[in-house]
Amino acid sequence: ETGVTQSPTHLIKTRGQQVTLRCSSQSGHNTVSWYQQALGQGPQFIFQYYREEENGRGNFPPRFSGLQFPNYSSELNVNALELDDSALYLCASSWVDRASNEQFFGPGTRLTVL
Amino acid sequence: GENVEQHPSTLSVQEGDSAVIKCTYSDSASNYFPWYKQELGKGPQLIIDIRSNVGEKKDQRIAVTLNKTAKHFSLHITETQPEDSAVYFCAASKSTGGFKTIFGAGTRLFVKA
Repeated sequence: ETGVTQSPTHLIKTRGQQVTLRCSSQSGHNTVSWYQQALGQGPQFIFQYYREEENGRGNFPPRFSGLQFPNYSSELNVNALELDDSALYLCASSWVDRASNEQFFGPGTRLTVL
Repeated sequence: GENVEQHPSTLSVQEGDSAVIKCTYSDSASNYFPWYKQELGKGPQLIIDIRSNVGEKKDQRIAVTLNKTAKHFSLHITETQPEDSAVYFCAASKSTGGFKTIFGAGTRLFVKA
């Protein structure tokens, strides 16, 4: 069983650019959530995908979008980057059923917007 | 809006002492309360969790208590060790699979040898 992986590890972009971050879910998991973690803060929920459909969204603008693929890997896309988008982006996979709430986090992608 | 407050922001203890971190949540519909440990350069890792139908749960040196009436929950670490040093986050959720999990701001725990 493999854990959650994310790529790239680090990324530097300039304001106004677009970025795509990738996540590979833990084997067998059908749900992925994305979080933004600013320095010194707790993760903030961006959105969740379940079986390739967006399943809920936090307080993030539409320029944050995502995709989940049939193999349950996932992408987070951010358009028109702003300086405040600089953060650690985490994905977490889970198996949505009645018995388990547990999420497994990846190591994150550190995005710096200049 | 939904909120989770966490205290203290920093906690320093001597090896072998106990550490207590407290959280308060705002949404009474929350029914799942996980605690995560985050080490430098890594994602959060679940260390213990509790559901709203349980008041207390223990796993070796770690225990969590939940007071639904007061909307408080706490993490207790006994016999702390230097490797317990990390940032700890409490969180609250009202659905399965991590849906819209709300995190506290974190507590940086230092365990001095």
